[in-house]
Amino acid sequence: EAQVTQNPRYLITVTGKKLTVTCSQNMNHEYMSWYRQDPGLGLRQIYYSMNVEVTDKGDVPEGYKVSRKEKRNFPLILESPSPNQTSLYFCASSDTQTSGITDTQYFGPGTRLTVL
Amino acid sequence: RKEVEQDPGPFNVPEGATVAFNCTYSNSASQSFFWYRQDCRKEPKLLMSVYSSGNEDGRFTAQLNRASQYISLLIRDSKLSDSATYLCVVYDWGNKLVFGAGTILRVKS
Repeated sequence: EAQVTQNPRYLITVTGKKLTVTCSQNMNHEYMSWYRQDPGLGLRQIYYSMNVEVTDKGDVPEGYKVSRKEKRNFPLILESPSPNQTSLYFCASSDTQTSGITDTQYFGPGTRLTVL
Repeated sequence: RKEVEQDPGPFNVPEGATVAFNCTYSNSASQSFFWYRQDCRKEPKLLMSVYSSGNEDGRFTAQLNRASQYISLLIRDSKLSDSATYLCVVYDWGNKLVFGAGTILRVKS
């Protein structure tokens, strides 16, 4: 089954304790990205990756890191989480064309993070 | 001004009603446009792309007006299962997808 998986699905942590949210896709997609979703603000892009070893900042990259060592995996790292990073996080992947991203973004099920 | 703006709603409609959502975008160079559907606490899923000529998929019709920089989604004969949040999405240059905050639709029997 074609899918994007994220782990963990729910996480409660404390300020300053490093954490990693994993994301994996089995569709051989080149493009992967991370979003956070907050009430009234919609999804905002944190980081994206066009391919292995290629990552770029999105709209809200502060406080986050990513890596793309393999095509299928795109982990999101919070080195020192703070309460303002409490949010719902989505990983997504898609194919790319020469003109850019194709129309279908496949999203993971989401990770609900609470930072106390 | 937000890059993509939507009326947050909620739109409360009876079953069988026709309902329309609009979305405006600020970047006139935007390339592609989409509507995604998001059920409560779930991941967004592509509903349909929006083409310049307009397109229809069953009860759903999407329109694009580049001159006025807005897109619309029309849902005919609303079903209870249509209750969700509808996200307007715009693809800008630089491999960036910009999401609106969403419009909540509640269809009631």
